Amino acid sequence: EDKVVQSPLSLVVHEGDTVTLNCSYEVTNFRSLLWYKQEKKAPTFLFMLTSSGIEKKSGRLSSILDKKELFSILNITATQTGDSAVYLCAVGGGNKLVFGAGTILRVKS
Amino acid sequence: GAVVSQHPSRVICKSGTSVKIECRSLDFQATTMFWYRQFPKQSLMLMATSNEGSKATYEQGVEKDKFLINHASLTLSTLTVTSAHPEDSSFYICSAFLAGVGQYFGPGTRLTVL
Repeated sequence: EDKVVQSPLSLVVHEGDTVTLNCSYEVTNFRSLLWYKQEKKAPTFLFMLTSSGIEKKSGRLSSILDKKELFSILNITATQTGDSAVYLCAVGGGNKLVFGAGTILRVKS
Repeated sequence: GAVVSQHPSRVICKSGTSVKIECRSLDFQATTMFWYRQFPKQSLMLMATSNEGSKATYEQGVEKDKFLINHASLTLSTLTVTSAHPEDSSFYICSAFLAGVGQYFGPGTRLTVL
């Protein structure tokens, strides 16, 4: 059975802190790993990772995939209150996505 | 970027009625769309895969006669919750698959069944 596990389940930090969110997976026919940010509505796309060791960056966010260890991390530097959200990791085998439970991030001012 | 719309964004209905939710890909064609359900404080659970021109593929535990899916065109999929009950109250989200890029999500539909 395909499985995606995220940790921690929740996290509270202060503005300016750096956070690292973790995602491990076991899926058949791995195609890609995706990170999403979900606030009150549907998830918004952050990154798609397909190759090991290549970091993707977007502003203060970055992510990297380790296909040997079946693991990905999402880093957020200099956190802001607007980063408070649920961060979802999803792994695609074919067209389907299997989602992790998410990490609830709360950034306090 | 690719845009997916859902309609309605919110619906409140009486128990026993049927509700139709539309999912449209606005600027690309999607042969495959997905329907998810999300309960409060939980992650997205895939309900079914909607394929244009063929029957939907339902995940284990999802009643196909209760959640009717029609993928009538390359830009439109509909989910009909038939004979809705309060336990069907949830946040329903669709996504459209764009080859080489991944899934784009609609804004979601919050269903409340009284």
